[in-house]
Amino acid sequence: DQQVKQNSPSLSVQEGRISILNCDYTNSMFDYFLWYKKYPAEGPTFLISISSIKDKNEDGRFTVFLNKSAKHLSLHIVPSQPGDSAVYFCAAINTGTASKLTFGTGTRLQVTL
Amino acid sequence: DSGVTQTPKHLITATGQRVTLRCSPRSGDLSVYWYQQSLDQGLQFLIQYYNGEERAKGNILERFSAQQFPDLHSELNLSSLELGDSALYFCASSVSGANYGYTFGSGTRLTVV
Repeated sequence: DQQVKQNSPSLSVQEGRISILNCDYTNSMFDYFLWYKKYPAEGPTFLISISSIKDKNEDGRFTVFLNKSAKHLSLHIVPSQPGDSAVYFCAAINTGTASKLTFGTGTRLQVTL
Repeated sequence: DSGVTQTPKHLITATGQRVTLRCSPRSGDLSVYWYQQSLDQGLQFLIQYYNGEERAKGNILERFSAQQFPDLHSELNLSSLELGDSALYFCASSVSGANYGYTFGSGTRLTVV
């Protein structure tokens, strides 16, 4: 059972435009969400996170939005840069119980010139 | 360099064999997590150790086992290997079991032929 879903395997965006990556989850007990970025031949690196008590968290060009009622979160990258081309994983955790992250299948973002 | 070291980077072995993957966590991190990434799949949680003790278990096959040693490095043992075990195996570490921002190693790519 895939509790964290990223339904778009890939996304192509022009440089300077906004990239929007989406993630849905089914487990209502998840209360903390993270985004990781992964380049080829490297491990995932932490990008940004959000607690369920918030609906938005911003860090530079990256903003994560959380809609708890829809069990949906999104990552906005503005403006997109070629160096943002990578695979982005959404992850979620129930901080009250297990300490393991549950990951989505990832979205490959390509930022074109 | 993330500070999490995984060896070897690549491993090719035959079906039925046994291999050991090694992970050295980031200095000061007590928790080690093992994840498997098969083709086009997300990161599947295998197992977590905290300060030498098993803390959480995911969908880890009985043919797989792991341990964390007193110096906090961890090993993942895969035995009776099958073609379907071919995957990227990532190790991640965090300061404590409740720290959600994991630091990942660059992974071991296992190919079973």
